[in-house]
Amino acid sequence: QLQLVESGGGVVQPGGSLRLSCVASGFTLSNYGMHWVRQAPGKGLEWVAFILYDGSNKYYADSVKGRFTITRDNSKNTLSLQMNSLRGEDTAVYYCVRDQNYRNVWPKNFDYWGQGILVSVSS
Amino acid sequence: IVMTQSPATLSVSPGERATLSCRASQSVSSNLAWYQQKPGQAPRLLIYGASTRATGIPARFSGSGSGTEFTLTISSLQSEDFAVYYCQQFNNWPPLIFGGGTKVEIK
Repeated sequence: QLQLVESGGGVVQPGGSLRLSCVASGFTLSNYGMHWVRQAPGKGLEWVAFILYDGSNKYYADSVKGRFTITRDNSKNTLSLQMNSLRGEDTAVYYCVRDQNYRNVWPKNFDYWGQGILVSVSS
Repeated sequence: IVMTQSPATLSVSPGERATLSCRASQSVSSNLAWYQQKPGQAPRLLIYGASTRATGIPARFSGSGSGTEFTLTISSLQSEDFAVYYCQQFNNWPPLIFGGGTKVEIK
């Protein structure tokens, strides 16, 4: 059974840092690109970052570029999101998401989602 | 690219047909997906490639369109279909843009 389980969320002060992790099971992580998507309270979905299946390329939304870093460790079936210089507008539920495309550089669809983890940026 | 969904809220009675619209500010070919999100849950992939149902999605859900105009149709609404629906384009990226969502509520 395919699963994505996020951890590492919580409350952090503005300007602080937080690292999210996502452990994948039920499939071979190294075959798929992975994304982080967030959803602010009561708002819609916002794509945050994408990393290719082999980690060779990474892409970011302008709103997080230079502050967030997406990484992966395929040997540990783990995806991560390092979030620095956090702002109030980063408050959201963060989802770890699998891209449907198999070993491809072009994203296709978001076919499996984790349950989400809440990040709250507040003083 | 801007993805615009309409209406923002759709009030429908169970058993009726629901038609949701998604418009792209420039052509995205058929590189469009639809997702369903229920309160407190993660989104779920419904449709990809504009018209292909994802695994396990009932046949009452159908997608159509290409270029800039897309439609998600739910042929006969069931109680479990009341949710928020998002479209997303995969043609021009980054970024991977979602529409603002359409809430389907019980009339």
